Amino acid sequence: ETGVTQTPRHLVMGMTNKKSLKCEQHLGHNAMYWYKQSAKKPLELMFVYNFKEQTENNSVPSRFSPECPNSSHLFLHLHTLQPEDSALYLCASSQGLGDTQYFGPGTRLTVL
Amino acid sequence: GQQLNQSPQSMFIQEGEDVSMNCTSSSIFNTWLWYKQEPGEGPVLLIALYKAGELTSNGRLTAQFGITRKDSFLNISASIPSDVGIYFCAAHNAGNMLTFGGGTRLMVKP
Repeated sequence: ETGVTQTPRHLVMGMTNKKSLKCEQHLGHNAMYWYKQSAKKPLELMFVYNFKEQTENNSVPSRFSPECPNSSHLFLHLHTLQPEDSALYLCASSQGLGDTQYFGPGTRLTVL
Repeated sequence: GQQLNQSPQSMFIQEGEDVSMNCTSSSIFNTWLWYKQEPGEGPVLLIALYKAGELTSNGRLTAQFGITRKDSFLNISASIPSDVGIYFCAAHNAGNMLTFGGGTRLMVKP
């Protein structure tokens, strides 16, 4: 148990669906991150939030929309995704920006 | 972004053997981390290194922060089947994002 939870663990959606991924951290951290992990590719940083403010958007397509209502919760809203968006989406948190990150178990997303 | 050079990319070893993997970079980092990721799960932090030359153990795992601050290695002694997974190195400087290695996929034959 790393203190970072993600739901759902698995998600299958069509290209026209709208869904959301949820991340919650119980570590009292101030920074939260979204990563995409595709098969045989390095981890790709998508978004970074620090004290609820977005500090980084790594040229992510607008069909991915993050939301951080407070320092403990992070969402990733999905809309009109493509099959190539199928991947493991990982959430992480750290005490401060750039500190050691602790990861959640991930959401395995399949886009049909 | 910049990626750490991690090797080997994969290893297939016999149970009981020792394992060694390393990461190198052209840049200096102040913190080196080693994570393990099992299938269908997120990376779990194994060892964190904060000082050049530091040697830290966690059970059968030992990691070192290179004296030049540009590299780190991870050793696993007497491997067992549950050591199977992908091992990632990561590094950063204070206030900066993590940079990850490409991972070492470890397979252990009972």
